[in-house]
Amino acid sequence: EPEVTQTPSHQVTQMGQEVILRCVPISNHLYFYWYRQILGQKVEFLVSFYNNEISEKSEIFDDQFSVERPDGSNFTLKIRSTKLEDSAMYFCASSGGDAYEKLFFGSGTQLSVL
Amino acid sequence: GNSVTQMEGPVTLSEEAFLTINCTYTATGYPSLFWYVQYPGEGLQLLLKATKADDKGSNKGFEATYRKETTSFHLEKGSVQVSDSAVYFCALNNNAGNMLTFGGGTRLMVKP
Repeated sequence: EPEVTQTPSHQVTQMGQEVILRCVPISNHLYFYWYRQILGQKVEFLVSFYNNEISEKSEIFDDQFSVERPDGSNFTLKIRSTKLEDSAMYFCASSGGDAYEKLFFGSGTQLSVL
Repeated sequence: GNSVTQMEGPVTLSEEAFLTINCTYTATGYPSLFWYVQYPGEGLQLLLKATKADDKGSNKGFEATYRKETTSFHLEKGSVQVSDSAVYFCALNNNAGNMLTFGGGTRLMVKP
């Protein structure tokens, strides 16, 4: 089965630094998402992206966050100035075709902000 | 707002035991309901779904029925295997944007 690929699997950064989390969605998918899970808490929706623009975003997705599809294959999440509370597992997902509601998730990037 | 509550784990069962993981939800309207599974080191995978009341989703021996009257979507399997050991997430989607609302996840451990 096709996979969503996320890199890196672990990222450690200092507070205040910028990080970019990378994702390669499934090739023929058109809808892209970021979710995150803080340790011990629920998986939370951050943002959805379609046709090169944000479709929906949650309250978590403030001005410190941005998403981009820089080319035909990658989908990135940038955190401009990381805070301790940004430490979480970040999941990328994609969907498309005739199974729009079936999200395919990557295995996640564990972000640790020190 | 939307919310999903599922039983806390871990749930520990012996192989071939019957599994139930409870899930209840709060939502306006008629959400779609999902069970996702996360095996160690992997991403979340859609296990099954139901889009309207009384629908039964099923896959790999797992079943869940959309019960609007009790706002529930309990996951069941008649005979679990060691390979079913994973974290199971109940979720709902109440809009057109795939903004899933997840429960807290339930870890299942199946012992041989």
